[in-house]
Amino acid sequence: DAGVIQSPRHEVTEMGQEVTLRCKPISGHNSLFWYRQTMMRGLELLIYFNNNVPIDDSGMPEDRFSAKMPNASFSTLKIQPSEPRDSAVYFCASSYRLWGEAFFGQGTRLTVV
Amino acid sequence: KNEVEQSPQNLTAQEGEFITINCSYSVGISALHWLQQHPGGGIVSLFMLSSGKKKHGRLIATINIQEKHSSLHITASHPRDSAVYICAVAKNYGGSQGNLIFGKGTKLSVKP
Repeated sequence: DAGVIQSPRHEVTEMGQEVTLRCKPISGHNSLFWYRQTMMRGLELLIYFNNNVPIDDSGMPEDRFSAKMPNASFSTLKIQPSEPRDSAVYFCASSYRLWGEAFFGQGTRLTVV
Repeated sequence: KNEVEQSPQNLTAQEGEFITINCSYSVGISALHWLQQHPGGGIVSLFMLSSGKKKHGRLIATINIQEKHSSLHITASHPRDSAVYICAVAKNYGGSQGNLIFGKGTKLSVKP
């Protein structure tokens, strides 16, 4: 398996634009997690899914953030409208079971100017 | 006070030294994870443990549930071990929905 695949690897966008980050989990994994990493706050869990169902989105900072998992092999994290303070590295991870060993994607570095 | 505290924040060692990174937490947990983040940014899960001790090569992780403390040890450290090591705990399912809380990380630099 190729591991968790995230796209794009880098994204630069202007404030106010919509941004969509994509994640393909490892085949067979039931849980998917979206994280954000910044220098100030470190790693934070934004939302996680189990069997394609969102379980806890309390980490999503604002209503501008939304995440979907339409099927077991694909998830998106959308920011609309984006703001400069959203600049961070966004990681997606998947695991075979909830809170089992997690495998991380390479991350998407988002810069909002 | 953070629910997960790591120490030290920064650590510089000479190649070959034995290294210990500590993690203390204040909540009930179902599991504790140690992650490694390389300078390039990639994150790798090193250990997941809920009791006792695990060993992978030169890495050893221990956890003491009663004391709410975990340690990550690296024996015979090597410059390629230079990375940020992050402790994360999964809260008890009976608690606040099983969320994952991260420590701030320990930046390790091993000099040749």
